[in-house]
Amino acid sequence: GAGVSQSPSNKVTEKGKDVELRCDPISGHTALYWYRQSLGQGLEFLIYFQGNSAPDKSGLPSDRFSAERTGGSVSTLTIQRTQQEDSAVYLCASSLTGEFGYTFGSGTRLTVV
Amino acid sequence: EDKVVQSPLSLVVHEGDTVTLNCSYEVTNFRSLLWYKQEKKAPTFLFMLTSSGIEKKSGRLSSILDKKELFSILNITATQTGDSAIYLCAVGYRDDKIIFGKGTRLHILP
Repeated sequence: GAGVSQSPSNKVTEKGKDVELRCDPISGHTALYWYRQSLGQGLEFLIYFQGNSAPDKSGLPSDRFSAERTGGSVSTLTIQRTQQEDSAVYLCASSLTGEFGYTFGSGTRLTVV
Repeated sequence: EDKVVQSPLSLVVHEGDTVTLNCSYEVTNFRSLLWYKQEKKAPTFLFMLTSSGIEKKSGRLSSILDKKELFSILNITATQTGDSAIYLCAVGYRDDKIIFGKGTRLHILP
């Protein structure tokens, strides 16, 4: 597609439930990032995929968070046993090489009640 | 269509020069404009602007917003090699959505 697509745009879930957030990067972009932005905070790095290399998971806040990228394209961020502090906007970005030309998706607003 | 456009996309200057980065936007129900500096993984927050004409400063960096003309500039004076980075502009708008520009890659030559 023309841009980075994220779905759903909004998600309200009950505490303790699992959620999956999806990111469709721009076709051909090898680099894909997941970030989250909590209210009033800056962007927090979560995970980085680059081509066929092992992902950089150093930003994942706990083992409840995981992400995969199938076939070098679509990525899914999974949060298990959601907690209220997981409430944030989750942003995905992709770029051709990982160095420049980031395109951000419009984000998924996750609210855990 | 909501959008944020940054210019230039890329800029190379010598240490000591002053640079001006531009960000224009078209969004519904504007709430705030944010500038970030990205060197590695996560962009670091620089400024948040909500009011027109009020300059925000942090050391050699400053930024101002013009809500009538729908743009913001980020100035960096007396540039240093450590200023080399991608500078991202983002706009928060209706329903707490946020949209990013593509960034300006700044390279400072020693």
